[in-house]
Amino acid sequence: RKEVEQDPGPFNVPEGATVAFNCTYSNSASQSFFWYRQDCRKEPKLLMSVYSSGNEDGRFTAQLNRASQYISLLIRDSKLSDSATYLCVVTIGGATNKLIFGTGTLLAVQP
Amino acid sequence: GAGVSQSPSNKVTEKGKDVELRCDPISGHTALYWYRQRLGQGLEFLIYFQGNSAPDKSGLPSDRFSAERTGESVSTLTIQRTQQEDSAVYLCASSSHRDRVLRTEAFFGQGTRLTVV
Repeated sequence: RKEVEQDPGPFNVPEGATVAFNCTYSNSASQSFFWYRQDCRKEPKLLMSVYSSGNEDGRFTAQLNRASQYISLLIRDSKLSDSATYLCVVTIGGATNKLIFGTGTLLAVQP
Repeated sequence: GAGVSQSPSNKVTEKGKDVELRCDPISGHTALYWYRQRLGQGLEFLIYFQGNSAPDKSGLPSDRFSAERTGESVSTLTIQRTQQEDSAVYLCASSSHRDRVLRTEAFFGQGTRLTVV
């Protein structure tokens, strides 16, 4: 089983739609959780951290369910500029704290 | 600049040659990561440096791959006897850890695009 799993998509949605991505992780000792965004042929950039209580940043809402070991990202009122690959990222705790990336979910927002 | 800097941005090399990729992390960042991303694929973890701790080399795909980091500064990723399957973008990232926990985001460089012909 992969350490971090995501549906690769693509998710093709019309402008204005609401879209949700889920991500599951296998290591119950995971400590920190993030969503990154990667545009085509660009480096990944942090979209938002994911906190246990859930957090919202404008049209984006992230939630964490430790019991079921999954993370979600909700995008409301999709814009064309939201088209990108969304990467779920988990840190594995312990002596090291490396970032483990999911393979990403491709979102294509259509006009 | 204040960001993570990688060089070269592009590298074309002949199969069998050695290549060295360089990463300059953000000043003060104790953690440094190397990832590989093949075309259309996800990020593949290679190696992780954290302060003076022994590096986590668990992602290096073969003994042709090695990486070094001097203190908390520059890192070099070396690929010996390159093969065509080594063609990919090699991304470096750095972050600041406190109490061994990642509390801030990891910042990526723009990557080195390696093409082995």
